[in-house]
Amino acid sequence: DTGVSQDPRHKITKRGQNVTFRCDPISEHNRLYWYRQTLGQGPEFLTYFQNEAQLEKSRLLSDRFSAERPKGSFSTLEIQRTEQGDSAMYLCASSFPGARVFFGSGTQLSVL
Amino acid sequence: ELKVEQNPLFLSMQEGKNYTIYCNYSTTSDRLYWYRQDPGKSLESLFVLLSNGAVKQEGRLMASLDTKARLSTLHITAAVHDLSATYFCAVDMGGSEKLVFGKGTKLTVNP
Repeated sequence: DTGVSQDPRHKITKRGQNVTFRCDPISEHNRLYWYRQTLGQGPEFLTYFQNEAQLEKSRLLSDRFSAERPKGSFSTLEIQRTEQGDSAMYLCASSFPGARVFFGSGTQLSVL
Repeated sequence: ELKVEQNPLFLSMQEGKNYTIYCNYSTTSDRLYWYRQDPGKSLESLFVLLSNGAVKQEGRLMASLDTKARLSTLHITAAVHDLSATYFCAVDMGGSEKLVFGKGTKLTVNP
């Protein structure tokens, strides 16, 4: 499978715990994006990388959220001190400049 | 701030009928995407429209883009049950493939 891969598919955590998600983009894609989707809504942009550089972060991304792409390949999204409002589907996407954007299957986070 | 509006948000139609979903956006962009999402699944890329007047068709779906009117349409021809899903349009915010999505149109095709 050469698509965008995300791990885990589901994560249940207690409020206040830290969680980390991983995304492996399509190998030749140098752009990687994180989005968040809540029930009944379209995905909302969180942040994106070109190679290892994080070029933009949304105002939605509070200080509790951090994303990395250390070698310009896979990326991680960490949420510290989770809150119930963080419950959502976290989607990773990748692309090559000017090309179609492909999405992964997402990580469904539930904060209890 | 770029805003993307889709209508209708909910669409229930009979098999065999035709219908159009509309996507309006608020600022200039010449790149628009359509995605399909099944319940609990991720987004499947349907079309990328890259210029004014672009039209793309695949199967029973046809998408078009009018950048002057800031409007894209997704036309469904002779709907079948398998097309039941939520359809999103998304607009590129400035050439970096950073997308702003509409709220989606939930399509239900009844036998």
